[in-house]
Amino acid sequence: AQTVTQSQPEMSVQEAETVTLSCTYDTSESDYYLFWYKQPPSRQMILVIRQEAYKQQNATENRFSVNFQKAAKSFSLKISDSQLGDAAMYFCAYTPGGAQKLVFGQGTRLTINP
Amino acid sequence: NAGVTQTPKFQVLKTGQSMTLQCAQDMNHEYMSWYRQDPGMGLRLIHYSVGAGITDQGEVPNGYNVSRSTTEDFPLRLLSAAPSQTSVYFCASSSRGRSIFGQGTRLTVV
Repeated sequence: AQTVTQSQPEMSVQEAETVTLSCTYDTSESDYYLFWYKQPPSRQMILVIRQEAYKQQNATENRFSVNFQKAAKSFSLKISDSQLGDAAMYFCAYTPGGAQKLVFGQGTRLTINP
Repeated sequence: NAGVTQTPKFQVLKTGQSMTLQCAQDMNHEYMSWYRQDPGMGLRLIHYSVGAGITDQGEVPNGYNVSRSTTEDFPLRLLSAAPSQTSVYFCASSSRGRSIFGQGTRLTVV
């Protein structure tokens, strides 16, 4: 069975600094997608970034980027120039290619200190 | 606005009662799914559907039923509510590797 592990239950960072959230996963599939979702106190699930496993290039979305290490099954999220609005729970998620059966990690609560 | 609409947003049930959580999407997505979110455990897949008339079980299906008579709607039924089903429920609609979530339903079973 596929699993996703986030080993950092909580992280904090000073406003304007950079923070990296860790995620590892386990799968025997070769075709899959990886995601980072943000969940603010409103509880809405917001897609932050998506990575397709067959693409070697790391995905980026403005201040958000990933470090995708396929052989190590690692998928970390880097947030640059942290802003107060980035404070939220962040979930790493995996789905096999061709399906949308998301497997989520336990989440990391990110606090931004002004 | 296009998206996923879940109703209700909050619900309190007594043990043994039944109810249906509604989910509708207007994006013509084939793939829809239901998740539950419990503290410290992230989201877990309950049931999913790859198109009208086709449903299958996810990781935690016990106590829940689903049906998919149209592309737009994917209701989740609790047959006999139990306190263990107290959770936040999310419906998602997916296409081309992207899932869009509804705003969630907080369900409390007393």
